[in-house]
Amino acid sequence: DTEVTQTPKHLVMGMTNKKSLKCEQHMGHRAMYWYKQKAKKPPELMFVYSYEKLSINESVPSRFSPECPNSSLLNLHLHALQPEDSALYLCASSHPGTGSGELFFGEGSRLTVL
Amino acid sequence: AQSVSQHNHHVILSEAASLELGCNYSYGGTVNLFWYVQYPGQHLQLLLKYFSGDPLVKGIKGFEAEFIKSKFSFNLRKPSVQWSDTAEYFCALRSYNTDKLIFGTGTRLQVFP
Repeated sequence: DTEVTQTPKHLVMGMTNKKSLKCEQHMGHRAMYWYKQKAKKPPELMFVYSYEKLSINESVPSRFSPECPNSSLLNLHLHALQPEDSALYLCASSHPGTGSGELFFGEGSRLTVL
Repeated sequence: AQSVSQHNHHVILSEAASLELGCNYSYGGTVNLFWYVQYPGQHLQLLLKYFSGDPLVKGIKGFEAEFIKSKFSFNLRKPSVQWSDTAEYFCALRSYNTDKLIFGTGTRLQVFP
């Protein structure tokens, strides 16, 4: 079992829908991440929050909007997505900063955009 | 810029064979290096990590890796693989003073009984 919980596990949405992915961790980590993983590819970094502030945005399209309401929660708001956005979205957490260790990953939310 | 390369894209072995997966990175500063494994349908799990000290690190399930700074390498080894080791293996790099974890392209390992 992973200590990073993601909901929902599966999501199907149309291109005009608005939906959100949620992530929660209770390990006291102050860095939280969103990654996108296509089939048979490595995870690609999308966003990093450090101490609840967005610290890294890897030039992700604005139809993906992250939010970190508190140190335990991370959301990814989805709007007007394209079929090519279908992928596994992974949340992760870690201690931020220098020499701070590994990332712990959730099981992911599998998104299908019709 | 940081980057990680894994030259073996697909490895097929029989049980009890020895395994070595290559990982090379590009970064001029201090790095933390990781190997993650993704079993079919499961989440990414940490196999082992290198931060500093002994360049030979041991991980879970009998895996080990050696950090060779002069070669910018962090190869993964296991003396005798099992069918249950069938999975995707990712090498990853985190530069010492950032939160950014970069993955290599991954190696798909298939082990046949």
